[in-house]
Amino acid sequence: GNSVTQMEGPVTLSEEAFLTINCTYTATGYPSLFWYVQYPGEGLQLLLKATKADDKGSNKGFEATYRKETTSFHLEKGSVQVSDSAVYFCALRGAGGTSYGKLTFGQGTILTVHP
Amino acid sequence: GAVVSQHPSWVICKSGTSVKIECRSLDFQATTMFWYRQFPKQSLMLMATSNEGSKATYEQGVEKDKFLINHASLTLSTLTVTSAHPEDSSFYICSASPASDYTDTQYFGPGTRLTVL
Repeated sequence: GNSVTQMEGPVTLSEEAFLTINCTYTATGYPSLFWYVQYPGEGLQLLLKATKADDKGSNKGFEATYRKETTSFHLEKGSVQVSDSAVYFCALRGAGGTSYGKLTFGQGTILTVHP
Repeated sequence: GAVVSQHPSWVICKSGTSVKIECRSLDFQATTMFWYRQFPKQSLMLMATSNEGSKATYEQGVEKDKFLINHASLTLSTLTVTSAHPEDSSFYICSASPASDYTDTQYFGPGTRLTVL
C-alpha cells in the first residue's frame, strides 16, 4: 500500500533560520502530494500541493518540489517566523486501485520557532 | 471560507457507553465527508468515507458496527462510537469536501479527543 515517511521531530529553530522537513513516499502510479499545517486548536489546513513530477508547490514562503526520481517532497522555507510554529503533515493522494483518491499521511513534524 | 467544526472538542466517557461526535461544514455543502483517527505521535488513518444520503464506506479493519457513521445532510455527519472501550480512546478528525469524488480539496475539522475510562 501507499505510505509516507516524514523526518521525526520535534524541530526547534530560531527565527529567520532555514527550514527543511524531509518527506518521502511509496506509492503506485502518480500520486498527488500535499503539505498540511495544523496550528494549535485548529484543523489541518492545506499549505501547498503538487500534482505531477517536477511541479513545485509554494505558499506563504514555503516550497516543496515533487521529485519522482527520489520519491520525495521535502518542505523548505528560507526564513521561518515564530508564527510558523505548528505541526506539519506530508500526505499523498492515491492515484489508482483501492487507494484512489484517499489521503495517506505522514506522522507529522512539530516545529517550534523561538524569537 | 471552507470551515469545518467538530463537537465536542473533547469527551470523557465510561466503558460500555456510546459517544456521538458531530462534524459540520459551516459555509459550504459537503457532498463527501471523511473520518480519520489519530494515535499519539502517529499519522491520521482514514476510517471511513461517507456521501450524503448513502451508506458509509469503511476502510479495511474498521468495525462498521463499532463506528456508526451517518451523513444525513449536506452539512452534517456524525460518528457514533458504540459500546466504547479504553482502546477506542483516540483523536478523531473529520474532513469535508464539496466534491462527490476524491479529487477536490478536503477541509479538516479541529478534531475530538475521546477518552474512555
